[in-house]
Amino acid sequence: AQSVTQLDSQVPVFEEAPVELRCNYSSSVSVYLFWYVQYPNQGLQLLLKYLSGSTLVKGINGFEAEFNKSQTSFHLRKPSVHISDTAEYFCAVILYGGSQGNLIFGKGTKLSVKP
Amino acid sequence: DGGITQSPKYLFRKEGQNVTLSCEQNLNHDAMYWYRQDPGQGLRLIYYSQIVNDFQKGDIAEGYSVSREKKESFPLTVTSAQKNPTAFYLCASNHGQSNQPQHFGDGTRLSIL
Repeated sequence: AQSVTQLDSQVPVFEEAPVELRCNYSSSVSVYLFWYVQYPNQGLQLLLKYLSGSTLVKGINGFEAEFNKSQTSFHLRKPSVHISDTAEYFCAVILYGGSQGNLIFGKGTKLSVKP
Repeated sequence: DGGITQSPKYLFRKEGQNVTLSCEQNLNHDAMYWYRQDPGQGLRLIYYSQIVNDFQKGDIAEGYSVSREKKESFPLTVTSAQKNPTAFYLCASNHGQSNQPQHFGDGTRLSIL
């Protein structure tokens, strides 16, 4: 079965600094990958997804992620963060052709952007 | 605008009481999902439904029940058998294919009185 590990539970950064939120997955077959953002007391919002093709995926709010098959990683990056990026970020994986009932979420990374 | 509506936003349960969380979507999605979110635990799947009048248990279905009588609606009942119901509950939907992201409601926070 596939699994997802978000390596950092909390990431504090200063405003305008770059940030990388790390996500590693385990699967012996092809997968689809997603990053979601959750603001306090709200639901999850899709940031970006990797389905196939270019390994560099651009999403909303200036975020991007790179799919690395050999390292089974899908790290999320932003070159310059804003206070408004303070939120919790979730990585999720599903097997290619798999049931949506088997969408697996990581435990989340709380990004805290300080002025 | 299309979306998913969860109600109520906050809910309190007394001991021995069943409570029902509402989830309605107007996105014409076939599949709907219920997740439980606890701090530091990520999202865990309770139940999901890929078509009307059919649903499957997720990883933590014990103490919960669902129905799917209409495409737009997927209510979740937290029964008295669920001994630790305090959590944030999220409903989601999509067309069901594995390459599709799920769309989420804004959640219901359930607490014990």
